[in-house]
Amino acid sequence: GAVVSQHPSRVICKSGTSVKIECRSLDFQATTMFWYRQFPKQSLMLMATSNEGSKATYEQGVEKDKFLINHASLTLSTLTVTSAHPEDSSFYICSARGWSSQQETQYFGPGTRLLVL
Amino acid sequence: EDKVVQSPLSLVVHEGDTVTLNCSYEVTNFRSLLWYKQEKKAPTFLFMLTSSGIEKKSGRLSSILDKKELFSILNITATQTGDSAVYLCAVVGYNQGGKLIFGQGTELSVKP
Repeated sequence: GAVVSQHPSRVICKSGTSVKIECRSLDFQATTMFWYRQFPKQSLMLMATSNEGSKATYEQGVEKDKFLINHASLTLSTLTVTSAHPEDSSFYICSARGWSSQQETQYFGPGTRLLVL
Repeated sequence: EDKVVQSPLSLVVHEGDTVTLNCSYEVTNFRSLLWYKQEKKAPTFLFMLTSSGIEKKSGRLSSILDKKELFSILNITATQTGDSAVYLCAVVGYNQGGKLIFGQGTELSVKP
């Protein structure tokens, strides 16, 4: 199946700093990428939809100025958590939507665990 | 309102048992239903179903979709401890930009 990578896999930062997470589709071009957040024992919560070359669409309740999304190419989207606080600690997962083996699919990256001290 | 409901929410079985996980949905302009397996990391893709009555199979796992009754099942035969995970069902509709609507997940625990 298609491969999506995320970097870093784990990050620990101090409160007030910004953290950038990269999401790459490695063997297909992703027309759309999605960013999710998952708290322990809960399902995935969609934060925003990122389309290449255009502004991201944020879900209700997600602060666009705090969670900056850039989708500069068909294989790369970035999520920047600005001025991170302990409550931003979570598991952030991206998924990429694109065509692979003549089928439109959506695959998840391995996730990034963020811990804000 | 679009929604996905999975049942049961949790399940404990012994190795060798067969399990059936359920997923019912309501979505505008249904496009496809996807099953994922999530262990202590991000979900891994299992199946994507778009047509009714066509079983998809991968090893001991299989899944089928009923678009008339709006549900899907995921079967796991001869379960192993490595099957322990949360199984997520998600649907996507047309004209929704590919957004997945997730169910709550079924937490499966397979005991030795």
